[in-house]
Amino acid sequence: DTEVTQTPKHLVMGMTNKKSLKCEQHMGHRAMYWYKQKAKKPPELMFVYSYEKLSINESVPSRFSPECPNSSLLNLHLHALQPEDSALYLCASSQDRADTQYFGPGTRLTVL
Amino acid sequence: AQSVTQLGSHVSVSEGALVLLRCNYSSSVPPYLFWYVQYPNQGLQLLLKYTSAATLVKGINGFEAEFKKSETSFHLTKPSAHMSDAAEYFCAVSATSYDKVIFGPGTSLSVIP
Repeated sequence: DTEVTQTPKHLVMGMTNKKSLKCEQHMGHRAMYWYKQKAKKPPELMFVYSYEKLSINESVPSRFSPECPNSSLLNLHLHALQPEDSALYLCASSQDRADTQYFGPGTRLTVL
Repeated sequence: AQSVTQLGSHVSVSEGALVLLRCNYSSSVPPYLFWYVQYPNQGLQLLLKYTSAATLVKGINGFEAEFKKSETSFHLTKPSAHMSDAAEYFCAVSATSYDKVIFGPGTSLSVIP
């Protein structure tokens, strides 16, 4: 299994809602990543987990809260988002921080 | 600090023609260099990466790239374009294998029948 899965594929939420994005991999990878990608732009790194511990937080606003419950799962909890947070949110994983990253298909988020 | 520039935000080629996508990098140390492809409504897929071994790197789907230190370039080529190559292509750099990957702005490739 060489796949990173993300759910949901699409999400529409209001500014007062709380929602979560989910990412899963069963490749035994120990590093997992969240990226944000706006239309026609490159991905921007948000968070990196290595061996289930947060190792990089790229000064992301606290309305985004990552969680790594185990080595296969990565969540991104969303609360009180703004319309400018609408984007494609990509998850990736790698064997460890030094290895090739494998990307999931992304969750397209719209904040109304 | 590392950075990447990609000349041409949009490139159009005819089917069967040579594909050339340009990438120049800035790095204070010998870099790790990557090319990723993103098809519409999908995540990114690694085409190839350079990690200081051979300067000519072969990737998937017939793509290859040549690392030229003197020109700080890592251009992506494919001898003959297919319709299925139409996608967004990102060049990326990291200073070490543990540093975060910095993506270039991307080049959108169109293939004309």
